Amino acid sequence: QQQVKQSPQSLIVQKGGISIINCAYENTAFDYFPWYQQFPGKGPALLIAIRPDVSEKKEGRFTISFNKSAKQFSLHIMDSQPGDSATYFCAASYGFNKFYFGSGTKLNVKP
Amino acid sequence: GAVVSQHPSWVICKSGTSVKIECRSLDFQATTMFWYRQFPKQSLMLMATSNEGSKATYEQGVEKDKFLINHASLTLSTLTVTSAHPEDSSFYICSARGKNEKLFFGSGTQLSVL
Repeated sequence: QQQVKQSPQSLIVQKGGISIINCAYENTAFDYFPWYQQFPGKGPALLIAIRPDVSEKKEGRFTISFNKSAKQFSLHIMDSQPGDSATYFCAASYGFNKFYFGSGTKLNVKP
Repeated sequence: GAVVSQHPSWVICKSGTSVKIECRSLDFQATTMFWYRQFPKQSLMLMATSNEGSKATYEQGVEKDKFLINHASLTLSTLTVTSAHPEDSSFYICSARGKNEKLFFGSGTQLSVL
């Protein structure tokens, strides 16, 4: 059973637009929800993360929105840039013992 | 930020040989490291959890005798793919749990078995 479901699989956004990636989870014990950015041939890099006690976290152009009752969280990239083109993974963890990853979203920001 | 170094970044080997991949936490001590496998355009699949000074915990379906994990120190974990076969070709990524429990990833190792 997939613990974290991510959509869309791919996303094309114009430069300056807003990129939105969604994730849903089942296990209510999850207490840490990070987003990772991965460029081809590289390992993922932590982008931003949120705990379930807050509904939103913003760092620069990146915002996580968290809906605990719906068991959903999303990543918003404001003013998307071509350099943001990468694969994004959401993840969920409880107790930091294991991290379960979504299937990934390939973002292409067109100039 | 915390740095995790993974080496080598790519390796090509003949079928039947063994390959060792190293994962080092450069500026922090990592009691726990994780090894993932990633197929092209797919997500990261957890293979095993490596704990310093104890045996690794393998995920269901992962052959512990094929994927040997050693976590000999607080800064080094190794993954050895024994008797590698073409189906073992994949992108292997390690990660280490650092300060504030954040997960930091190595740059990955692309393994190609001929």
